[in-house]
Amino acid sequence: GDSVTQMEGPVTLSEEAFLTINCTYTATGYPSLFWYVQYPGEGLQLLLKATKADDKGSNKGFEATYRKETTSFHLEKGSVQVSDSAVYFCALSVETSGSRLTFGEGTQLTVNP
Amino acid sequence: DTGVSQDPRHKITKRGQNVTFRCDPISEHNRLYWYRQTLGQGPEFLTYFQNEAQLEKSRLLSDRFSAERPKGSFSTLEIQRTEQGDSAMYLCASSFRNSYNEQFFGPGTRLTVL
Repeated sequence: GDSVTQMEGPVTLSEEAFLTINCTYTATGYPSLFWYVQYPGEGLQLLLKATKADDKGSNKGFEATYRKETTSFHLEKGSVQVSDSAVYFCALSVETSGSRLTFGEGTQLTVNP
Repeated sequence: DTGVSQDPRHKITKRGQNVTFRCDPISEHNRLYWYRQTLGQGPEFLTYFQNEAQLEKSRLLSDRFSAERPKGSFSTLEIQRTEQGDSAMYLCASSFRNSYNEQFFGPGTRLTVL
């Protein structure tokens, strides 16, 4: 079946530090890949996505590149802010499986001033 | 606000009681998904509808759970004879035919079973 594995958290960084959250996947078909973010007390929001190999998704300074050869979709940001503190979820969907989302377990990020 | 809405936002019930949650998707979104999220975990798929048809149900959806979308607009998720293990956040998401994989999530209903 489909699965997503994220690096274990929580992650604590100082403001302006570089962020990497690792994500790898297994899928029965050709997946689209996503990063969702959940801010404290709020619902899940789509952060970025990539639908085919070598695509780069980007939004709000975050980036992730779809690497088919390593089945990975690592999230990066060059300089984090306190406002980036949230839980980040990597996810995939396969169109032939009704496009249902399969999520990783989430990574809690805390950014200190 | 034209986003996905869910009602109620919080529900506390006693074990053995029945509960029903409602989800109103974004207008014209023809797919509607239900997920369940327990503390410290990612959401897990429960079921989804395309218009009024329920197209898939997860093995997580025991026969105590039932979902409907009678007119292809709002959906309800009912849990009968609740158990403490049903305590979780229940999330609803919707998507449009041009981009089914881009799902928009509601704020969720947090269920606590005492």
